[in-house]
Amino acid sequence: GAVVSQHPSWVICKSGTSVKIECRSLDFQATTMFWYRQFPKQSLMLMATSNEGSKATYEQGVEKDKFLINHASLTLSTLTVTSAHPEDSSFYICSALPDRAGGNTIYFGEGSWLTVV
Amino acid sequence: QQPVQSPQAVILREGEDAVINCSSSKALYSVHWYRQKHGEAPVFLMILLKGGEQKGHEKISASFNEKKQQSSLYLTASQLSYSGTYFCGTHRLSSGGSNYKLTFGKGTLLTVNP
Repeated sequence: GAVVSQHPSWVICKSGTSVKIECRSLDFQATTMFWYRQFPKQSLMLMATSNEGSKATYEQGVEKDKFLINHASLTLSTLTVTSAHPEDSSFYICSALPDRAGGNTIYFGEGSWLTVV
Repeated sequence: QQPVQSPQAVILREGEDAVINCSSSKALYSVHWYRQKHGEAPVFLMILLKGGEQKGHEKISASFNEKKQQSSLYLTASQLSYSGTYFCGTHRLSSGGSNYKLTFGKGTLLTVNP
């Protein structure tokens, strides 16, 4: 099956620093990837749609200058949390939509736990 | 336009059945079902694309009523491994196929006890 890898799985950073999370599709190309955030015992909330070769589309209420998204290739999207604060601590999950014809299934990465201290 | 899931939580004994519902106020293009274990990423269960479509995998199946904008997930003869939070993700009809972003419900916590 299709595999999406996220790195790092766990990260602890100091308040005010920036953290980068990578999302890679290992065995398929994905023009479109998605970034979600999930707080404990809550649902997955879409933050932005990452588009290869163009700017990401952010959901309402998500600060694009704080959550920088770069989709530089068909297999890699990165999310950078800039000037992180404790309230940014959360589980960040990416997902990818394969480019292959007829593909409707979206595959999730393993997720990244971010703790800002 | 977050889909509404019900019930919020359900507790079963091993071998019992459960139904989880997902409804939307908007016309749907597709419904996706995922199961998430605590601390892990969601795992894809199935996708339903057509009105009236039903799918199944072993003892987990789902239906999609396009007219009612609803989907239901059926778990029969539940196993301990079925425990987790079940999310439905909906893709609205107005979004079309080129903007394939999913909106997830709040989830249904399923606990299967021995």
